[in-house]
Formats: sequence, C-alpha cells, structure tokens
Amino acid sequence: DQQVKQNSPSLSVQEGRISILNCDYTNSMFDYFLWYKKYPAEGPTFLISISSIKDKNEDGRFTVFLNKSAKHLSLHIVPSQPGDSAVYFCAASEGNTPLVFGKGTRLSVIA
Amino acid sequence: GAGVSQSPSNKVTEKGKDVELRCDPISGHTALYWYRQSLGQGLEFLIYFQGNSAPDKSGLPSDRFSAERTGGSVSTLTIQRTQQEDSAVYLCASSAGTGLEGGYTFGSGTRLTVV
Repeated sequence: DQQVKQNSPSLSVQEGRISILNCDYTNSMFDYFLWYKKYPAEGPTFLISISSIKDKNEDGRFTVFLNKSAKHLSLHIVPSQPGDSAVYFCAASEGNTPLVFGKGTRLSVIA
Repeated sequence: GAGVSQSPSNKVTEKGKDVELRCDPISGHTALYWYRQSLGQGLEFLIYFQGNSAPDKSGLPSDRFSAERTGGSVSTLTIQRTQQEDSAVYLCASSAGTGLEGGYTFGSGTRLTVV
C-alpha cells in the first residue's frame, strides 16, 4: 500500500504563474518531508524539506506547506519558469528511516 | 568526489545472468542508499547502509539481490539470475547523517535492461 501518494501524474502551467504540486500521505508517524526534482537521465536533486513541527518552509521561489491534520503537503513554485519543467517527487521519513517516495508529478511550464 | 558516481550508466544483460552495479558516494558521507525506479513508478527503497551498523535490507525484493559496502565507502549491488522484471533504473544516494534537512545526494543511476 502506497504511503506517499501524488495523485496528479502531470501538470501544465503558464510561465510566470504559480505551480502547485500536491502530495498526500497515510502514515501519521512521518515527521520529515522532502521534495525532489528530476530531469531525464539524471538522478533526483533535493529541493526543499520541512519538519513536522512546522507548517511552512520557504526557499526563494519554492515554498512547502504542511497540513498534518489532513496528511497533506504541497509545493508552490512562483513564478514558474520553463527550467522548472521536470518530474517532482514528494518523499517522507519516519524517525530517520530511509525516505519513502511518491510516484512523481511531471510539471510542464509553457513559455 | 564532487558527487555520487554510479557505473555503468547503462547495462543490458541476458535473463539469468548476474550483474554488479557500483556506487561511489560522496567522500565523508556516512549513509548510503540504493533505490530503483521501474517504468512509471516512484523510487522504491532497496537497502541502506549507515556507518558501521548492520545494513537495513528490508527493501530487497528477493534473495537474488544483495549489496555490500566496503570500507565504509564504495558499494556494490549484485543481482543474481536476473529476470525481466528487474529492468529498472537503479539509483544510489549518499548523505551526511540522516540526510533529512539537506536531502540525499543521488547519482545519475544505472539503467538495467534484462532481455
């Protein structure tokens, strides 16, 4: 059973607008969440993380929001740029155990 | 090195043959992870090494899969008697400590195709 779910396989956004990528999880013991970005033929690269004691973390154009009661997190990218086109993975960890990943969402930013 | 290095980048093998995949982590990183990504799927955890502790092998899909990490550095993932369902991109990552705040650093992966 998937513990980390990204229900939208793909998303298209106009350049300059906001991209919102969503992630749901089922394990209430998860206490750390991360977002990764992956280009074709490359390994995933770390974007941003958030601890379960926070509800928001911001880094430049990237903001992650965590709603623990809903077991939901989202990644906001604003403004979106064509170079942001990639597959985005949500990941979670319980007590320093290895990350559990979702299946990813392919973001296309259209110029 | 500057990043996580994996070799080979591509491997085509015949069903039933054994394969070895290599991972060279970032120098000084105590933790090393193997994941795989099958077509259309997310990253599936395989095995985790942390320092001198016994590895966490809970993600290995069968006893045909094994991995070792020599001298706390280079790791080799071995798949014996390969099957077509083993075809995937095998990704290695390393981290300093738990890697939660700064994330794991991944290599570019080895694309394994079993024919």
